[in-house]
Formats: sequence, structure tokens, C-alpha cells
Amino acid sequence: NAGVTQTPKFRVLKTGQSMTLLCAQDMNHEYMYWYRQDPGMGLRLIHYSVGEGTTAKGEVPDGYNVSRLKKQNFLLGLESAAPSQTSVYFCASSRHLTGRGQETQYFGPGTRLLVL
Amino acid sequence: DAKTTQPNSMESNEEEPVHLPCNHSTISGTDYIHWYRQLPSQGPEYVIHGLTSNVNNRMASLAIAEDRKSSTLILHRATLRDAAVYYCILRDDNQGGKLIFGQGTELSVKP
Repeated sequence: NAGVTQTPKFRVLKTGQSMTLLCAQDMNHEYMYWYRQDPGMGLRLIHYSVGEGTTAKGEVPDGYNVSRLKKQNFLLGLESAAPSQTSVYFCASSRHLTGRGQETQYFGPGTRLLVL
Repeated sequence: DAKTTQPNSMESNEEEPVHLPCNHSTISGTDYIHWYRQLPSQGPEYVIHGLTSNVNNRMASLAIAEDRKSSTLILHRATLRDAAVYYCILRDDNQGGKLIFGQGTELSVKP
């Protein structure tokens, strides 16, 4: 199993450009998450999905859109990139929650995005 | 969201035990205590979790105070590969299982 993979690994954008980050998981997980991490900070949740075709906002959703058309993929879109979106983006997935707070999240290697 | 408080940084010597503390005085009865760590230039990885009882796995042990307002992650013999940022997180499945990360504790291990 590859686990959680992210594409691309690194990207440079100009202000106002758009792009899509792809997250893929091969563990048949129900839940998927997008986080961003700024230098010296912990991760912050952007959006998440509890199943195919469903998405929900996290802590810092502004400026981002997501889609979950297939169970194994979770896309993060930036319609008009801004320098404030320069960050490292992590995707994660987990199994269906049992209500016992036990399911762990598996993280991808991250995508480094620089917006000039 | 319930918050956790951790020291910004800690140092340890190789092959010695390390105790990483975490305070979570506002923890609710349904919050599980999770620990993740993030090695340099990598995504976070799961370490251990617990609710009320102390827990052990191959990576670490988790000691939870009786009132659940604090916990301690124990690495029994630190190695250079354990140098990472360790995050203590309270997780409630009623909120989609999302993890709320603080700044964590940066652990450095000296040879």
C-alpha cells in the first residue's frame, strides 16, 4: 500500500493563479482532511470530508475549495492564490469513526506551495 | 475546542527516558487524548492515544492523570530518530474526528 500520496510535492505560483492539489489514499478510508502548516506552527484544518460527495469547513476554509468525487481522492483548489497561502499542505485520511475517538489519521508527505 | 498546553521544547540524551508533559484542564468526558509526532520535513504520524487508563504500545507509553487534566508521553529509550515535534491533541468524534494541533513540543536528542 502506498498509503496517502500528494501531488505535486512542490509548486510555485504567482498571485492570482489557480491550482489544484491532489490527495489520494489506497486504504479505503471514509474520512479525508486537508491541513496547512505555516513555519513554526502546528497544523490547521482547512476542509474535511466524511464520505464521497460530502465536504465540510474546518478552521481556515477561506480562499480554498474542495471536492470528493471519488472515495479515494480529495482535491484542494485555490481559485486565486495569494501570498498568505504560502504554506505546506498536508492531506490525511482515517477510517469511519466509531464514536470512540480511536481512529488514527494517516498523513501524506505534504505539498510545499510558494505564492509570489 | 478543548486546548492543550505543552512546553515549547525539551532536550534528552540518547538512550535515556523522556517524559513529555501535556496539560488539558478543560478536557471533556468524551475527549480522547491523542499524541502525534512530526519528524523534520514529514507529515505527522500517530504515536498513541488513550481515554482514562494508561496505555502502552511499541512506540511509547501514555500516562493519564486520574482527573484527566494532564497526561505524559513516555519514550522509554530516546534515540536520535525520536527527535521531532510532539503534539498532544484532544479529539472528539462528534466533530468529524478533526485534530486540533497546538504548537507542540520540539524534542531534541543528544548523542
